[in-house]
Amino acid sequence: DAGVIQSPRHEVTEMGQEVTLRCKPISGHNSLFWYRQTMMRGLELLIYFNNNVPIDDSGMPEDRFSAKMPNASFSTLKIQPSEPRDSAVYFCASIAGTGPPSRNTGELFFGEGSRLTVL
Amino acid sequence: GQNIDQPTEMTATEGAIVQINCTYQTSGFNGLFWYQQHAGEAPTFLSYNVLDGLEEKGRFSSFLSRSKGYSYLLLKELQMKDSASYLCAVRRSYNTDKLIFGTGTRLQVFP
Repeated sequence: DAGVIQSPRHEVTEMGQEVTLRCKPISGHNSLFWYRQTMMRGLELLIYFNNNVPIDDSGMPEDRFSAKMPNASFSTLKIQPSEPRDSAVYFCASIAGTGPPSRNTGELFFGEGSRLTVL
Repeated sequence: GQNIDQPTEMTATEGAIVQINCTYQTSGFNGLFWYQQHAGEAPTFLSYNVLDGLEEKGRFSSFLSRSKGYSYLLLKELQMKDSASYLCAVRRSYNTDKLIFGTGTRLQVFP
């Protein structure tokens, strides 16, 4: 089975440009998470969706960041305009289940990440 | 606020035992997780504790004390491939899959 698929794996862009990161969760998983990882702050949750609906976006840094999940097999994270401080690895993760986490151990399956460099 | 603390770096020798500690202060608790992350790769799940005590899985064990807000990951018979970052994460509520991660402990295993 394919795991969580993210694209692009690497992106280098200039300040002010729009960046779109993409994620395809594992088929059948109903929750999807976007995390950002930096050396200083570690792995931070940006937003998570359950059944395609945003549940918690309290980690989204500011209005420059937006995320969508138009269907169960696709999500995007967009940064517009991008800034050098947005440079990080952005991970998408998904989890299976049909309700509260009692039905599983809560194991998140992560994609390989998108490494973003904003110059 | 949410606070999850781990040592930043640790070193150990091949064949030895190492214990990586994690303390947490969170509003709500419903499980503690350990993930392994090799450099340049995605985090992968290692263990899960929701009740006090020790969970053993091969060379790796994880311990939880909810009253103390404390967990540790114990790695036995260290191998070079165990060189990685180890991330402690807390789930705060029964009704969410959301995990809050610590900044991770980078472990280097030397021959």
